Amino acid sequence: QMQLVQSGPEVKKPGTSVKVSCKASGFTFTSAAMQWVRQAHGQRLEWIGWIAVGSTNTNYAQKFQGRVTITRDVSTSTAYMELSSLRSDDTAVYYCAAGSGIWGQGTLVTVSS
Amino acid sequence: DIQMTQSPSSLSASVGDRVTITCQASQDISNYLNWYQLKPGKAPKLLIYDASNLETGVPSRFTGRGSGTVFIFTISSLQPEDIATYYCQQYDTLPYTFGQGTKLAIK
Repeated sequence: QMQLVQSGPEVKKPGTSVKVSCKASGFTFTSAAMQWVRQAHGQRLEWIGWIAVGSTNTNYAQKFQGRVTITRDVSTSTAYMELSSLRSDDTAVYYCAAGSGIWGQGTLVTVSS
Repeated sequence: DIQMTQSPSSLSASVGDRVTITCQASQDISNYLNWYQLKPGKAPKLLIYDASNLETGVPSRFTGRGSGTVFIFTISSLQPEDIATYYCQQYDTLPYTFGQGTKLAIK
């Protein structure tokens, strides 16, 4: 079946970086744009960014500009989201999604000293 | 960026009630709007796409309508399993943006 499987939970120190992976199966990876979304505990969904269908074009929410990089590796059907200069308020569950309908299970990133 | 204003932010209703949520875009987004259901510990679930199209497998009690700047999401007969937070998302213009969510509770 169509699914996205994300990497496991991470605990990071402030100021460091995290890279979350999102492996696709059951559908043509290059046929879907990939978006990344996060939700801090009890907070609203927050759109982080997007990588285009079949290309390396990206777009990021202004809030994350300069700190986030979204990439995709076609050879392994895997997308990545790297967030740098982590702060405590980056603690959240991070989701990848192919288009709008296929979502990963979420990755908890905890930023704590 | 396009701002999505969702209302109400929370609501309480009884099983069997009709529930309506509104999402207003700060500019015309045609029909490029999704509605999602989010339950604790679960990934967002797409319910409605293109403002009014029901995602495969989603019960028909969920409906969406609207175009331009005003969108309406309706649950025709609230069920206990519908307790969740609901979000709209526009995908007309990057960056794609979400409403602030509507938390639904059972009265």
